[in-house]
Amino acid sequence: GDSVTQMEGPVTLSEEAFLTINCTYTATGYPSLFWYVQYPGEGLQLLLKATKADDKGSNKGFEATYRKETTSFHLEKGSVQVSDSAVYFCALRWAAGNKLTFGGGTRVLVKP
Amino acid sequence: NAGVTQTPKFQVLKTGQSMTLQCAQDMNHNSMYWYRQDPGMGLRLIYYSASEGTTDKGEVPNGYNVSRLNKREFSLRLESAAPSQTSVYFCASGRDWENEQFFGPGTRLTVL
Repeated sequence: GDSVTQMEGPVTLSEEAFLTINCTYTATGYPSLFWYVQYPGEGLQLLLKATKADDKGSNKGFEATYRKETTSFHLEKGSVQVSDSAVYFCALRWAAGNKLTFGGGTRVLVKP
Repeated sequence: NAGVTQTPKFQVLKTGQSMTLQCAQDMNHNSMYWYRQDPGMGLRLIYYSASEGTTDKGEVPNGYNVSRLNKREFSLRLESAAPSQTSVYFCASGRDWENEQFFGPGTRLTVL
């Protein structure tokens, strides 16, 4: 079945450092891909998405590119802030279905 | 708009007790979802309702029942709680199955 694999955390960074969170998926065909973010004590929020190969999703300084050749959707941010401390989830969904398949989440802690 | 609201925020049960988790959305969304979040496993879909009057099983439905009371409300019931149901439960809603899902703040449930 479909699955999403994320790098395990926690990832601890200093403010203004470069952040990369790896995400790879296993699925037949080409699903839509998402990054969700969960701030402490809150529910998940959609951060960005890409619906077809080579699409780049971007939001709040974060970017991720849908790479079908490597079945990956890595999340990057060039200069993180303390406010980026959160848990980040990679997820996929088929166009013909309403089920999101999530990775295990990566906790990011940014220190001042 | 309050978005997606959930009650209660925290709950402790003894094995065998029953309870209902409440979820409501004020965005006029057709689809609603219940997920559970366990450490390292991301979110897993328990049940969903694609539209008012319909419900379907997700990935981990055993031990749960749901009711789509009306377009706004979607409740999750544990008839006989078990320690394996200790988790954080999230409700989500979306305009339809193609669109972004909006999540509530979650209910942290502990079953002793």
